[in-house]
Amino acid sequence: GAVVSQHPSWVICKSGTSVKIECRSLDFQATTMFWYRQFPKQSLMLMATSNEGSKATYEQGVEKDKFLINHASLTLSTLTVTSAHPEDSSFYICSARVPSGRGYEQYFGPGTRLTVT
Amino acid sequence: GESVGLHLPTLSVQEGDNSIINCAYSNSASDYFIWYKQESGKGPQFIIDIRSNMDKRQGQRVTVLLNKTVKHLSLQIAATQPGDSAVYFCAENERRYSTLTFGKGTMLLVSP
Repeated sequence: GAVVSQHPSWVICKSGTSVKIECRSLDFQATTMFWYRQFPKQSLMLMATSNEGSKATYEQGVEKDKFLINHASLTLSTLTVTSAHPEDSSFYICSARVPSGRGYEQYFGPGTRLTVT
Repeated sequence: GESVGLHLPTLSVQEGDNSIINCAYSNSASDYFIWYKQESGKGPQFIIDIRSNMDKRQGQRVTVLLNKTVKHLSLQIAATQPGDSAVYFCAENERRYSTLTFGKGTMLLVSP
């Protein structure tokens, strides 16, 4: 199957600083990538849909000025958490969608654990 | 047995038993369903999928059943192994839209 990587796998930052998380599709091109947030013992919540070359589409309740998404190439999408606060501490997971004969398939990255102190 | 925790229901089974994990979905227009396995600290891993024109699909040791009448999806794992211990999520999608909606998840604990 297709491989999606994320970097870093974990990061600790101080309150008020910004953190960038990278999501890469390693062996395929992805015109569409998704960013999810997951709190402990909870499900994945979609934050935004990232389309290569255009603005991201944010889900209701997600602040687009706080969670900046850039999908500059077909293999890279970045999520920047600006002015991070402790409540932004979470597990952030990206995924990439790949067209297939059965419609499309969605592959997930390994996640990035963000801790804001 | 099955218990409901603060956020995540848990299913505890013995190694070698068959496990059944259930999921109720909300959108009657959903036409594509996927089961994912998520181990601690990792991203979701695809297990099996099914389209709405089917009611059963089998993989290796896993079977997904779909009942559209009551909007219910189940994942059956045969001969459960300790390595199957993880959180299992169902996800649904309406083909017109690009996004998956995830269910709440069930934690499967397999004891040797």
